[in-house]
Amino acid sequence: DAGITQSPRHKVTETGTPVTLRCHQTENHRYMYWYRQDPGHGLRLIHYSYGVKDTDKGEVSDGYSVSRSKTEDFLLTLESATSSQTSVYFCAISRDPGNEQFFGPGTRLTVL
Amino acid sequence: AQSVAQPEDQVNVAEGNPLTVKCTYSVSGNPYLFWYVQYPNRGLQFLLKYITGDNLVKGSYGFEAEFNKSQTSFHLKKPSALVSDSALYFCAVRDGTSYDKVIFGPGTSLSVIP
Repeated sequence: DAGITQSPRHKVTETGTPVTLRCHQTENHRYMYWYRQDPGHGLRLIHYSYGVKDTDKGEVSDGYSVSRSKTEDFLLTLESATSSQTSVYFCAISRDPGNEQFFGPGTRLTVL
Repeated sequence: AQSVAQPEDQVNVAEGNPLTVKCTYSVSGNPYLFWYVQYPNRGLQFLLKYITGDNLVKGSYGFEAEFNKSQTSFHLKKPSALVSDSALYFCAVRDGTSYDKVIFGPGTSLSVIP
């Protein structure tokens, strides 16, 4: 398996609280992605990064922010969690978009 | 608009029979196409990709996919299904206007019946 981990693996939080999910890679890949997976929607891109401090929005970025201060770490923050953000969140890495992505094990987030 | 369609939510096949999971796409420019598999409570795993060259691409676990430019399709196939192939399968295409991104289809659940 590619060296990619996510933490925490499970989290339950309350509406209105901030939440930060961490993705860590040991592959030195340039690209990192955050997706959410919901039944009937497949994977939807939240934000991605194409280098340290270089990030851009995906199709469902509202309510989320990201930061990448080091090549190996990509953080996803929910500033004020809402129930609609209950989902499974996956981080992925890639050398470049023409190559395959490697996925982390996922974080199951429940917002009550 | 860039998009990926997987017309079947669910595919059932008997063990030992050939399987096909369908994918069609709409993207500008030359497509970069991918198939991924997801087992329960796991992240997605890469199976195979098409960038250029031979229209028949071979990948992991005995899977292959056929690129058809005229039909804008990239169907996943396997000659003989195993029960262990039961999983969720995703087709994906690199965004033709924003090369940094990949668009995933909604997924197809494959059940191989013993």
